[in-house]
Amino acid sequence: AQKVTQAQTEISVVEKEDVTLDCVYETRDTTYYLFWYKQPPSGELVFLIRRNSFDEQNEISGRYSWNFQKSTSSFNFTITASQVVDSAVYFCALSEEAYGLTGANSKLTFGKGITLSVRP
Amino acid sequence: ETGVTQTPRHLVMGMTNKKSLKCEQHLGHNAMYWYKQSAKKPLELMFVYNFKEQTENNSVPSRFSPECPNSSHLFLHLHTLQPEDSALYLCASSQEGTGAEQFFGPGTRLTVL
Repeated sequence: AQKVTQAQTEISVVEKEDVTLDCVYETRDTTYYLFWYKQPPSGELVFLIRRNSFDEQNEISGRYSWNFQKSTSSFNFTITASQVVDSAVYFCALSEEAYGLTGANSKLTFGKGITLSVRP
Repeated sequence: ETGVTQTPRHLVMGMTNKKSLKCEQHLGHNAMYWYKQSAKKPLELMFVYNFKEQTENNSVPSRFSPECPNSSHLFLHLHTLQPEDSALYLCASSQEGTGAEQFFGPGTRLTVL
């Protein structure tokens, strides 16, 4: 069975600090996808990044960066120079292959989420 | 309208009521999903529809009944709910295929009295 562990539950930082959100996953699939989503207080999950299991290159997008390491089954997310607007719940998710009569779709297993508070 | 919309945004119902949640996606996707988000628990996948066909029912009690009349609309019919069913219900859509990112609606905050 698939599993995503986000050991950190709540993190509080002061604005402009760097913060890393940890994600560890378990899967027996050789092909899988990892995601990070942000859930601001409004409730809507916002897609941040997708990474497939064959691409271990780190990615940087502005103040966001992701470190994918298959050897440790981790997909960590770093926010550099955090801002108050970064305050949200962040979810890591793992996609499992799922097939029905009409084709394949994406079945996500989510971690419990990390509540990030950035103080001015 | 753009993205994924859900109505109503808030719903309070008694245990004997029947109500329905509606989700509509304007992204041209073929797969739609219902998730339940309870306090202090991970998001739980409830149902998956692919090209209007249900491909996943994650052991959801029969008091939750999904309906997908077409690829753009998804309903969740509620009947005889329990207080522990109070949660945020999120709808999502994606292109078909594994690894496709899912786009979420704002959710319906359901309270069962």
